[in-house]
Amino acid sequence: QKEVEQNSGPLSVPEGAIASLNCTYSDRGSQSFFWYRQYSGKSPELIMFIYSNGDKEDGRFTAQLNKASQYVSLLIRDSQPSDSATYLCAGRTTGGFKTIFGAGTRLFVKA
Amino acid sequence: EAGVAQSPRYKIIEKRQSVAFWCNPISGHATLYWYQQILGQGPKLLIQFQNNGVVDDSQLPKDRFSAERLKGVDSTLKIQPAKLEDSAVYLCASSADPDRGEQYFGPGTRLTVT
Repeated sequence: QKEVEQNSGPLSVPEGAIASLNCTYSDRGSQSFFWYRQYSGKSPELIMFIYSNGDKEDGRFTAQLNKASQYVSLLIRDSQPSDSATYLCAGRTTGGFKTIFGAGTRLFVKA
Repeated sequence: EAGVAQSPRYKIIEKRQSVAFWCNPISGHATLYWYQQILGQGPKLLIQFQNNGVVDDSQLPKDRFSAERLKGVDSTLKIQPAKLEDSAVYLCASSADPDRGEQYFGPGTRLTVT
């Protein structure tokens, strides 16, 4: 069973700090990875995607991928209370192109 | 650009009744997905369409769930008969490029089975 694992949290950080969200995956053939933000009662919203090893930055967000360690992370710099949400990590498998979601990590940013 | 549309937004039915959900993807998006999201869990793929063909329905409970995508645009997901454990949010998503996999979600339909 191919899986994407995340710590359910909650992860609590003070406003202005860096929030670090982590994700591991079991399918070595996974090629692309996505981070979605989901506010309570809302649908997931794509915030970052990464296909290659290394870092990818977009504004306050940095996605990191290490395929050798089967590890994906999302860093949120200068965290704001509006960043409080559940962050879903998803990996896209090779063969069939199925996207598998983790259960999500709840983030709380304290003002 | 209009997003993914879904209806209804909420539905309450009794067990053993039937229900149908509708989705209209972003214009031009060939790939359409239906997910089931139970509270506290990540979305679980039920079925994936590429145009009007099924790419993956391995996790669709075919004894009670069915889905179609006529003409490669709108899609309908049906449950008949519903069970209590079907209570969940049903999310529709679409993507322009199935090779890249970036998905855009609709607002979802919250189903409560009593």
